[in-house]
Amino acid sequence: QVQLQESGPGLVKPSETLSLTCTVSGGSVSSGSYYWSWIRQPPGKGLEWIGYIYYSGSTNYNPSLKSRVTISVDTSKNQFSLKLSSVTAADTAVYYCARAPAKTRYFDYWGQGTLVTVSS
Amino acid sequence: DIQLTQSPSFLSASVGDRVTITCRASQGISSYLAWYQQKPGKAPKLLIYAASTLQSGVPSRFSGSGSGTEFTLTISSLQPEDFATYYCQQLNSYPPTFGQGTKVEIK
Repeated sequence: QVQLQESGPGLVKPSETLSLTCTVSGGSVSSGSYYWSWIRQPPGKGLEWIGYIYYSGSTNYNPSLKSRVTISVDTSKNQFSLKLSSVTAADTAVYYCARAPAKTRYFDYWGQGTLVTVSS
Repeated sequence: DIQLTQSPSFLSASVGDRVTITCRASQGISSYLAWYQQKPGKAPKLLIYAASTLQSGVPSRFSGSGSGTEFTLTISSLQPEDFATYYCQQLNSYPPTFGQGTKVEIK
């Protein structure tokens, strides 16, 4: 059974960089069969796709965040990571990592989510 | 970006009711649509993809239909564990986008 687990600071100061890691168990980020995504949800609001990475390192980001986002993969640790720079209060959200099969691209496994609050 | 509009935004129903949620896309998305269920404090769960394909392990009371710009999620007989918020999501073009959600509550 595939499991994804987000980790990282729960509080980030405005203008700083948010950094989160997703650790995958029961599956491999090196598999060419999946894309690995980050998705966020502000409190009480809807879902926003941030971007994905493929095992090869190729990425695709939401244009609304592209200038501030970097997603990377560490195959040796079976992890992928998110960096979001120059954060503001509007970036306060629950951040989820998720897996999408390459064939369908829908998000079939999700982490439990981690709340990141941007505040001084 | 493709906009998805769900209706209704809120629905009150009883156990055993047949429930239908609609998702309309701002432009044609063929059948590149999924439905997710989210319970409070939990991650979304994939129910249906490609508009009508049931994800493995999802009860058969859930069904999806539609193509182009109009889609529906139907729960044939609402169960207590189905009270949740439901989201549609399109994958016809990047970035993937989600509807605003439909909250299904107990009447």
